[in-house]
Amino acid sequence: RKEVEQDPGPFNVPEGATVAFNCTYSNSASQSFFWYRQDCRKEPKLLMSVYSSGNEDGRFTAQLNRASQYISLLIRDSKLSDSATYLCVVNMEASGTYKYIFGTGTRLKVLA
Amino acid sequence: DTEVTQTPKHLVMGMTNKKSLKCEQHMGHRAMYWYKQKAKKPPELMFVYSYEKLSINESVPSRFSPECPNSSLLNLHLHALQPEDSALYLCASSFAAGGSTDTQYFGPGTRLTVL
Repeated sequence: RKEVEQDPGPFNVPEGATVAFNCTYSNSASQSFFWYRQDCRKEPKLLMSVYSSGNEDGRFTAQLNRASQYISLLIRDSKLSDSATYLCVVNMEASGTYKYIFGTGTRLKVLA
Repeated sequence: DTEVTQTPKHLVMGMTNKKSLKCEQHMGHRAMYWYKQKAKKPPELMFVYSYEKLSINESVPSRFSPECPNSSLLNLHLHALQPEDSALYLCASSFAAGGSTDTQYFGPGTRLTVL
């Protein structure tokens, strides 16, 4: 089983739609959780950290469910500019040190 | 300011060349990372430096040699690379090397082509 799993998509949605991505992780001792956005041929950019209480930033809402070991990202009122790959990243301890483990990424395409 | 800079942006090298990639951050971060990313794949961790000491080497071939001259700088020395090493090389930094409040920031990457 992969340490961090995401549905690779692609998710093709019309403008204005609401879309949700999930990500599961295997290590129950994982410390911190993030969503990054990556545009084609660019670096990953931090979209949101994810907290147990859930957090919202404009049209984006992230949730963490430690009991079920998954995190989610909800995008409301999708814009064309939201088209990108969304990477789920989990910081977990491995062999006495910490690593940031990446999911495979979920591709989103918002259609006009 | 959450800026990580990398030079050069693009690099083309032959299999017998020696070149270096450079990364710099001035955020006071004490952990720095090298990742390799191939097209349509997630970043793949290569090395982690924590407080200027190498803490993780993900079994990377010795033709890649990292160096951390000080807490703000990270280099990746390249020698005798293969065409399959062509990729986007990403540098990242974070305040520490993990923990519940640590967050990683990426530089723009160096796109490397090995001929």
